Formats: sequence, structure tokens, C-alpha cells
Amino acid sequence: DQQVKQNSPSLSVQEGRISILNCDYTNSMFDYFLWYKKYPAEGPTFLISISSIKDKNEDGRFTVFLNKSAKHLSLHIVPSQPGDSAVYFCAASGGGTSYGKLTFGQGTILTVHP
Amino acid sequence: DTAVSQTPKYLVTQMGNDKSIKCEQNLGHDTMYWYKQDSKKFLKIMFSYNNKELIINETVPNRFSPKSPDKAHLNLHINSLELGDSAVYFCASSQDLSTDTQYFGPGTRLTVL
Repeated sequence: DQQVKQNSPSLSVQEGRISILNCDYTNSMFDYFLWYKKYPAEGPTFLISISSIKDKNEDGRFTVFLNKSAKHLSLHIVPSQPGDSAVYFCAASGGGTSYGKLTFGQGTILTVHP
Repeated sequence: DTAVSQTPKYLVTQMGNDKSIKCEQNLGHDTMYWYKQDSKKFLKIMFSYNNKELIINETVPNRFSPKSPDKAHLNLHINSLELGDSAVYFCASSQDLSTDTQYFGPGTRLTVL
């Protein structure tokens, strides 16, 4: 049962343009969402997060939007740079007995062309 | 200075063998985790420990036994390795149980022949 889905396996963008990565979830108990970036042969690196009490969080070139009614979040990267080329995972967590458990999507490969 | 480290990075072994993967974090975190990334690239939690106490055991076969000698270390021992155990195993840590942001190690690629 995939509770977090990233339906686009890959995304290709030109340098300088916007990259939009999407993520959908099904569990309404999730109250915190994170994006991780992963380079080959490395572990995931935390990028940005958002609590369910917000609908937007911004950090430099990265902005995460949360639409709770649609159970959808997106990561915007503006402007995209070749160094952003990596696999991006969204993850979600819920409190209560699920403390500490992150549920991940299957990842989207982002390629930014110079 | 590596925050979360794992050894070894690569592990190739025969079916039926027993192997261990070690994880150490120097972030002063209370909580540590093991995740498995399977062939479909899903990252799935296996275990979490908080201050050396087991918190999450996500229906992992009992051939997998985590051990936390102190809160900076969480090792994973696997008995009687099977072909299906081939995967990348990631260790992670977080400040505490209520902190959702987790920091990951570089991963250990386990190949069972």
C-alpha cells in the first residue's frame, strides 16, 4: 500500500527554468512532509520540509507547497541549476504511534540541462 | 567530518552467511533508524531506536537484529542471508523521536549471491 506517491519517474528541465516535482499522499494522519535529494552512491540529504499547519515554505531557490484538501505537495526549484540533477524523494510522517517513521515516495529523477 | 557514517559501503556475500553493518552518528542525536531501499528504489523503514531502546520494528524478519550499544551507534546484524536481502541499507538519525527531520548515512550496498 503506497501511501506516498511520486507519479513522475523523471523530469528534464533547462538550466535557469523552474523545476516542479510533485507528490501525492493518501494518509490523512500525515502532518509533516519533507523533501530529500539524493546523488548516486550517497545517502538522501534533507532539503526542505513543511508542517501541515502551513501551505508554503520557502528556503532560497526551494519552495514547498502543500495542498491538504488535495493531499498533494510540490517542490519548486527556481532557477534550476545543473547541480540540482539528482533523485528527489518526498516523505511524510504522522504523530502518535508513528513517531519517527518516515514514509517515502519512490523518487523522481531530475535532470537539469546546461 | 561525517555526521552519519556506515561501514562497509559495499558487502558481497553468499546465501546463508551472517553479516553485520555498522552505523555511527556524531550529531549527538537520540534516535537512530535503519531503512532498506529495494530494487524498486523505495526507502522503507526497518527499525528505530531511541536512547538505545527499540521503538519501531516494521515487520522485519527476525533474521535481522539491530543492536544499539550506545545512542551514537546502531548496528544491523543479518543471519542466514537470502537473495532477497540484496538491497541498499541506510542508517539515519534524528534529534529525538518528535523531530521528523532525519539525517542519512551514505548507505551500504549488500549483494547476496
